[in-house]
Amino acid sequence: GESVGLHLPTLSVQEGDNSIINCAYSNSASDYFIWYKQESGKGPQFIIDIRSNMDKRQGQRVTVLLNKTVKHLSLQIAATQPGDSAVYFCAEDAGGTSYGKLTFGQGTILTVHP
Amino acid sequence: EPEVTQTPSHQVTQMGQEVILRCVPISNHLYFYWYRQILGQKVEFLVSFYNNEISEKSEIFDDQFSVERPDGSNFTLKIRSTKLEDSAMYFCASSPNRGINTEAFFGQGTRLTVV
Repeated sequence: GESVGLHLPTLSVQEGDNSIINCAYSNSASDYFIWYKQESGKGPQFIIDIRSNMDKRQGQRVTVLLNKTVKHLSLQIAATQPGDSAVYFCAEDAGGTSYGKLTFGQGTILTVHP
Repeated sequence: EPEVTQTPSHQVTQMGQEVILRCVPISNHLYFYWYRQILGQKVEFLVSFYNNEISEKSEIFDDQFSVERPDGSNFTLKIRSTKLEDSAMYFCASSPNRGINTEAFFGQGTRLTVV
C-alpha cells in the first residue's frame, strides 16, 4: 500500500564526529529561531536559539548558524555522542503579535553509532 | 527542575466521542500552548492562550476544539467530537513570557488514538 507521512532526512554519524543538520525556513520576516531535540516518546526539548540580528551563536557543543539571505539555519554538534541520537527540528517564531507561535520544520533524524 | 506535565500519556477513544487532554504548565508561566504531531510528521501549532483567553489559533483549531484554564494550575484541550484524523501526539507547552529569548517548555505529550 501507499505510505503516508513525511520521510524525514536522516544523518548517520560515528561517535566523536561532528554533525551538521540543516534547515530551510519560509518566512523572511521571522526574527527568532530555535532548534529543538525530540527523543523517542518525548516532547521537543530546547537546544539553542538565535535572533535574526545574529549569524552565529554557540552553546555547549552546539553552534547555530543563520543565513538570512538564503533563509537557512544549521545546527552543528561537536563530538557527537550516542545520547545525541534524536529527531532535530528547527522552528521559527512568528514574532510581533504572534510571538510564541512556533512553526516547525520537518525534522532530521540523527543516529549516532558507537 | 520544573516541568510541564500531561495526562493521560495515552488516550484511546471512539470516533465521535469527546476527549479532554490535561496539562499542568510550569507554575510561574503565563503563556500556554497546544501543538500536535501526527505520526511521522512535523509538530504543528494549534493554539496559544494568555490571560484566560485565546491569543492565536491555527486553521486546525476549528469549532471542535476548545481550551480552558479551569483553575490556577490546569490547562485543558477539549475535542468535542473526535475524528480519525485527530489521532496524533498532543503537546502542551508553556513559557514565562513571549518574545526573543523566551524558551517554551514542552510536556511529554498525550498520544490520542481515535478508533
